Amino acid sequence: DVKVTQSSRYLVKRTGEKVFLECVQDMDHENMFWYRQDPGLGLRLIYFSYDVKMKEKGDIPEGYSVSREKKERFSLILESASTNQTSMYLCASSPESAGAHEQYFGPGTRLTVT
Amino acid sequence: DAKTTQPPSMDCAEGRAANLPCNHSTISGNEYVYWYRQIHSQGPQYIIHGLKNNETNEMASLIITEDRKSSTLILPHATLRDTAVYYCIVRSPYGGATNKLIFGTGTLLAVQP
Repeated sequence: DVKVTQSSRYLVKRTGEKVFLECVQDMDHENMFWYRQDPGLGLRLIYFSYDVKMKEKGDIPEGYSVSREKKERFSLILESASTNQTSMYLCASSPESAGAHEQYFGPGTRLTVT
Repeated sequence: DAKTTQPPSMDCAEGRAANLPCNHSTISGNEYVYWYRQIHSQGPQYIIHGLKNNETNEMASLIITEDRKSSTLILPHATLRDTAVYYCIVRSPYGGATNKLIFGTGTLLAVQP
């Protein structure tokens, strides 16, 4: 089974802190994604990566950066956390093969910024 | 990507079939219909996808109308564990990661005992 793991299920940070959210997948997938999920807004794509050291902005990249130094690991960084970044963060991965249909999601990290 | 319209919520009795509708009137020829679900406090889970033919797997059936402007996800014997938000998404699978999934707000299916 494909497994996508995220470093924490729950995280509480203070305003202004630098926050790292880690995601690891074990299926050698080329593509990895970071979403945030807020009530009434569905899932929104923050950043994605289609290869090591490659990244693309999603729909809401402001206030975030990402790092992909190894194929299996994709990190989301909040340089200076703010209260409006309190949210559920979801990581996903998918293969790059033509016509790949499925994204595999991790369990999510619920981040609270106080 | 085409947009989808789903009812915000539905109820279903345990053991009965759950039929979840989705409208996607602007779907284009190379776009597939995908269904995911999200159980409370978990990440979304892929269920099924189809292009124009009806599809069935161990989880569900997908019925797509002939004009492809709408579809229905069928859970044949709903259980309490099927209580979740169900997302209908249309997307071309080609173009790699740049062809992203766009999740709307989905349908909250509540299976009642």
